[in-house]
Amino acid sequence: EAGVTQSPTHLIKTRGQQATLRCSPISGHTSVYWYQQALGLGLQFLLWYDEGEERNRGNFPPRFSGRQFPNYSSELNVNALELEDSALYLCASSRHLRGTEAFFGQGTRLTVV
Amino acid sequence: AQSVTQPDIHITVSEGASLELRCNYSYGATPYLFWYVQSPGQGLQLLLKYFSGDTLVQGIKGFEAEFKRSQSSFNLRKPSVHWSDAAEYFCAVGPNTGTASKLTFGTGTRLQVTL
Repeated sequence: EAGVTQSPTHLIKTRGQQATLRCSPISGHTSVYWYQQALGLGLQFLLWYDEGEERNRGNFPPRFSGRQFPNYSSELNVNALELEDSALYLCASSRHLRGTEAFFGQGTRLTVV
Repeated sequence: AQSVTQPDIHITVSEGASLELRCNYSYGATPYLFWYVQSPGQGLQLLLKYFSGDTLVQGIKGFEAEFKRSQSSFNLRKPSVHWSDAAEYFCAVGPNTGTASKLTFGTGTRLQVTL
């Protein structure tokens, strides 16, 4: 069974540009989560999508947005990039059931220069 | 608000020695607890989880953890560490709905194993 896949692996952008990160969940999983792992800040919850709807978001500005497609894959968009957006962005997926866990992808390393 | 504290930023143990990584949580109800491991440049791999039932849970790679409600702790243990266990370990708490949504992570403990 394929795990959570993220693309691209690495992304370099210039300040002010937009970045798009992609995530494919494990087959059968309807929930997708995005986390930011920035140096010195640890893992921070960004967004949760389930069945195509945004269910919850963390304490991030509106320029962090995303969507979930009918096949449950997801995109994270970051507009007006700032230097401090440089981080490892991790996607995870799960079934939306009690007692289930999230499985993480390998992440996208975003560098803003 | 939920929070997780991992008081040890960095731990060094000798190969073959026992290991205990500490995790304390703050949550207003019965928590849903996890331990994840992250190797350099990699994503997170689930070691074990506690949702309900037996407070001593067994995970992969020989790890176990014990949920102690009275101490608000969920410490990770391994009786004999292998060099391949060197990595960063994260404790996390989830909502008591028992789903994996909006996990709150600790700041991590980096484990170094000496030969």
